[in-house]
Amino acid sequence: KAGVTQTPRYLIKTRGQQVTLSCSPISGHRSVSWYQQTPGQGLQFLFEYFSETQRNKGNFPGRFSGRQFSNSRSEMNVSTLELGDSALYLCASSLARTSGSGTGELFFGEGSRLTVL
Amino acid sequence: AQTVTQSQPEMSVQEAETVTLSCTYDTSESDYYLFWYKQPPSRQMILVIRQEAYKQQNATENRFSVNFQKAAKSFSLKISDSQLGDAAMYFCASAGNNRKLIWGLGTSLAVNP
Repeated sequence: KAGVTQTPRYLIKTRGQQVTLSCSPISGHRSVSWYQQTPGQGLQFLFEYFSETQRNKGNFPGRFSGRQFSNSRSEMNVSTLELGDSALYLCASSLARTSGSGTGELFFGEGSRLTVL
Repeated sequence: AQTVTQSQPEMSVQEAETVTLSCTYDTSESDYYLFWYKQPPSRQMILVIRQEAYKQQNATENRFSVNFQKAAKSFSLKISDSQLGDAAMYFCASAGNNRKLIWGLGTSLAVNP
């Protein structure tokens, strides 16, 4: 069974540009959540989707957006990139409706490492 | 607001020894879940162990066990018979009624041969 696949693995952008990251969940998983990981802030929850609907949202500016498609694949977009957006962006999928459910183990991808110059 | 605190940025343990990683959390909710996740270097994050707050019995998964002290809002992870493959970042996380995961900053565990 294939794991969670995130693309691209590495990318470099400049300030002001926009970026789209993709996440393909484990087959059969309908919940996808996104996290930003930085050394200083740790993991911060971005948003979560279940069956194409956003279920939860973290405290990030509107420049960060996401969506989920009917095949459960998800994308997140960051517009008008800032230097502080440099981070590892992690995607996780789950069978449970929400990522924090006690019944739902999260399965993470290897992440997309974004560097903003 | 929920918070999770891991007070030990780095820990080390000798192979075959036991180590305990600390985690405290703050929540006003009565129904919540607690998790420990492991992130090996350049590899995916994986679930180590989880605990439902309403269960008094401490969760155990092979060499990994927790000491859940609900009144003290403490959720420490004990790793017994440490192995080289246990070297990783360990993250403590909690989820309340809204089921959003709140993460600690992590503890980097080194295992010395």
